[in-house]
Amino acid sequence: GAVVSQHPSRVICKSGTSVKIECRSLDFQATTMFWYRQFPKKSLMLMATSNEGSKATYEQGVEKDKFLINHASLTLSTLTVTSAHPEDSSFYICSPLAGGSSYNEQFFGPGTRLTVL
Amino acid sequence: SQQGEEDPQALSIQEGENATMNCSYKTSINNLQWYRQNSGRGLVHLILIRSNEREKHSGRLRVTLDTSKKSSSLLITASRAADTASYFCATGVNQAGTALIFGKGTTLSVSS
Repeated sequence: GAVVSQHPSRVICKSGTSVKIECRSLDFQATTMFWYRQFPKKSLMLMATSNEGSKATYEQGVEKDKFLINHASLTLSTLTVTSAHPEDSSFYICSPLAGGSSYNEQFFGPGTRLTVL
Repeated sequence: SQQGEEDPQALSIQEGENATMNCSYKTSINNLQWYRQNSGRGLVHLILIRSNEREKHSGRLRVTLDTSKKSSSLLITASRAADTASYFCATGVNQAGTALIFGKGTTLSVSS
C-alpha cells in the first residue's frame, strides 16, 4: 500500500494557540487530499477536501477560517487548527488520493492526536 | 454526514468464536471497504468489495455485500485476542475523487 506520513503524531497545546499538522504522501502524487477528524470512541468524519492548487471544500459545520488547509504541492498538505480550544481536541487523519485513481483502496495517514488544554 | 450504521455497536466474544458485524448504508455506492482501528491508532485497510461483487474472502475475513438491501457484513472466523479493535465500514460513491464515508463502527473485544 501507499506510504502516508503525518507529523506530529501527537501534540498538546494551550488554548488559543495554533497547531499545524503535516501530511505527506511519500510514494505517489496526491492531487486530492481528504482531512478527517475522529472524536474519542466515534467514527471518522470528513472535514474537508482539497485539490492541489485550489481552495479546500469544507463539509457542513466545519469552519474554514478555523481549519486552514494548504495543499500547495502534490506530496504535502497541511491542516492548521487556529486558536485551538479544548473542543478541538481530536484525532486528525489525512487521506491522500492519487490523480486519476478512483474506486480503489483509499490510503490514510497514521493520524495526529491533538489535545488542547 | 455519515453514510450508515454498523451493528452491533459493541461485540464481546471468546477466542475461537466467529464475529459478525453488519453495515448498512443509504446511497448508491461503487464500493464498500472495511477498516480496522486499534485503540488510539490509525486505520488498517482490510478488504474492498465492489458493487458488482457479492462476496469476498481474505484469510479469516469474509465480506458480503447486498446492494438491494444496502448492507454488508464482515465475518471474522476463529477470532483471536489480537482481533480486538474497532471495525468500520466505509462507502465509496459513484464519483471519482470523492471521499469515503464511514459508518459508526463496531467495537470488538475478544477475550482469551
